[in-house]
Amino acid sequence: EDKVVQSPLSLVVHEGDTVTLNCSYEVTNFRSLLWYKQEKKAPTFLFMLTSSGIEKKSGRLSSILDKKELFSILNITATQTGDSAVYLCVLNAGNMLTFGGGTRLMVKP
Amino acid sequence: GAVVSQHPSWVICKSGTSVKIECRSLDFQATTMFWYRQFPKQSLMLMATSNEGSKATYEQGVEKDKFLINHASLTLSTLTVTSAHPEDSSFYICSARDLTPGSTDTQYFGPGTRLTVL
Repeated sequence: EDKVVQSPLSLVVHEGDTVTLNCSYEVTNFRSLLWYKQEKKAPTFLFMLTSSGIEKKSGRLSSILDKKELFSILNITATQTGDSAVYLCVLNAGNMLTFGGGTRLMVKP
Repeated sequence: GAVVSQHPSWVICKSGTSVKIECRSLDFQATTMFWYRQFPKQSLMLMATSNEGSKATYEQGVEKDKFLINHASLTLSTLTVTSAHPEDSSFYICSARDLTPGSTDTQYFGPGTRLTVL
């Protein structure tokens, strides 16, 4: 059975800090790993990772995948209060998405 | 990116009534759509996979007679919560898979529907 585990469960930092969110997974038919940001409504897409070792970057956010060790990290540098959200790591194994439990990030002013 | 809409965004109903939620892919055709449910402070839970022109595939523990899914066209799937009870109150989110040639084959989420059953 496919499985996604995110850590930490919850994180509180101050503006300007850098955070690293972790996602480990088990899968039989890997297609891609996705990161989403969820605030009050539906998740918004951040990154899709398919290849090991290639960093995806968007502004202060970046993410990388290690398919040998079966994990991914999401980095946020110079955090802002607007980064406060739940970050979801999602495994795409063909026709099915498997969600991690999410990491709740709170950025204090 | 691709756009998925849901209607309504918020609904309050009395116990025993049925509620229909629509999910539309606005600028692509989606042969497969997914329905999720989210409880407070929890991740999304897949309820069922909706396939255009065929019966939906339900996840274990999801009552198919209670959560009726219809995927009548390539851009519309509906979820009907029949004889709703307070424990059905939740946030329901759909997603649609974009298999358009040249797309990234990812899933795009609708904005969600918050159902409150009194």
